[in-house]
Amino acid sequence: ETGVTQSPTHLIKTRGQQVTLRCSSQSGHNTVSWYQQALGQGPQFIFQYYREEENGRGNFPPRFSGLQFPNYSSELNVNALELDDSALYLCASAMGAKDGYTFGSGTRLTVV
Amino acid sequence: TQLLEQSPQFLSIQEGENLTVYCNSSSVFSSLQWYRQEPGEGPVLLVTVVTGGEVKKLKRLTFQFGDARKDSSLHITAAQPGDTGLYLCAGRIQGAQKLVFGQGTRLTINP
Repeated sequence: ETGVTQSPTHLIKTRGQQVTLRCSSQSGHNTVSWYQQALGQGPQFIFQYYREEENGRGNFPPRFSGLQFPNYSSELNVNALELDDSALYLCASAMGAKDGYTFGSGTRLTVV
Repeated sequence: TQLLEQSPQFLSIQEGENLTVYCNSSSVFSSLQWYRQEPGEGPVLLVTVVTGGEVKKLKRLTFQFGDARKDSSLHITAAQPGDTGLYLCAGRIQGAQKLVFGQGTRLTINP
């Protein structure tokens, strides 16, 4: 199995721009979650997709949006970037909502 | 307010010592997981506990889920430098889809 892969690994954007982060879930996993991890903090849940439908969302504004594709890969889109959006964005996949998650290595986003 | 409180947040001990990390909440969780995260990497799942009072062992690591499923602990025996890392507990609230993480315990084992 290939695990969870995220791209890009690092990204620098300007305040106000838009960004798309990508995630390929582990083979056979139909659930994908996205997390934001600020420096020195635990991951914060953004949202989760199960079989292409969003089935859970954390306390993030609507400018954070996502998609899950038929092959269960996923995208995280962030519009109107703010300086506080600078963080490590983690994607995690699981076989089902009750299973343990396999995390990718993350995308380090810096907003300047 | 953090839903899951981990303590201590930082711990630095000598090789060979024992340690315990705690994860506490006022909420009931249907399951609780422990992860370890290395710098520049995503968290790696160590264990999932689902039953109140459950104890699981992974070599020198012992994980316990509280009877009321509101808290958990991670005990490491004879710590080694390779145990250094950020330890995260994460719980799934009953009826909710999201996994809630604690703020983490940064553990340093000195040779």
